[in-house]
Amino acid sequence: SQTIHQWPATLVQPVGSPLSLECTVEGTSNPNLYWYRQAAGRGLQLLFYSVGIGQISSEVPQNLSASRPQDRQFILSSKKLLLSDSGFYLCAWSELAGDPGYNEQFFGPGTRLTVL
Amino acid sequence: GDSVTQMEGPVTLSEEAFLTINCTYTATGYPSLFWYVQYPGEGLQLLLKATKADDKGSNKGFEATYRKETTSFHLEKGSVQVSDSAVYFCALTPTLNTGFQKLVFGTGTRLLVSP
Repeated sequence: SQTIHQWPATLVQPVGSPLSLECTVEGTSNPNLYWYRQAAGRGLQLLFYSVGIGQISSEVPQNLSASRPQDRQFILSSKKLLLSDSGFYLCAWSELAGDPGYNEQFFGPGTRLTVL
Repeated sequence: GDSVTQMEGPVTLSEEAFLTINCTYTATGYPSLFWYVQYPGEGLQLLLKATKADDKGSNKGFEATYRKETTSFHLEKGSVQVSDSAVYFCALTPTLNTGFQKLVFGTGTRLLVSP
């Protein structure tokens, strides 16, 4: 069966410090991968998605970047964190091919980031 | 562009009460519609889905019917339990996605159920 892991689970970082959040998927090959952010009191916002190794698309301009160094690894990074980067970060995966209406996205447990 | 609008929360109910959480959408074509649930401290889980007009998605006693004429996908449950306390997200995926599936989420509605 497929599983998705995220770490760390929680993180407190000072403003201006770097960030690296990691997401890995097991039990599937060539998945679509996604990073979402859920800010306090707001809905989910898609930040990045990837359809393959080294292929990253950004949905919104921001202080963050993403990379996919391996098929089932997705990393969210920042060189210098801002206060506004605080939030709950969720990684998700879906199958690459098939009827898009049935390509359910499966979410990881999330990382809660607090920037002070 | 495509969007999803949910009712403001929190929704506060007593156990065994009837639940409705409203969701309307704006999209071109025939999107697929979803309800996701987020329990405290956890990620999102798919609760139910519907892929064409008049489809009814159901799971764990929850139901939602895809109404194209009113562009709605309201979530209902006949008798809520304390364990249903969570944040519920309505979402859609546009019609013409192939391979990559982009989900457009509503802002979420928090449900609080008291004993």
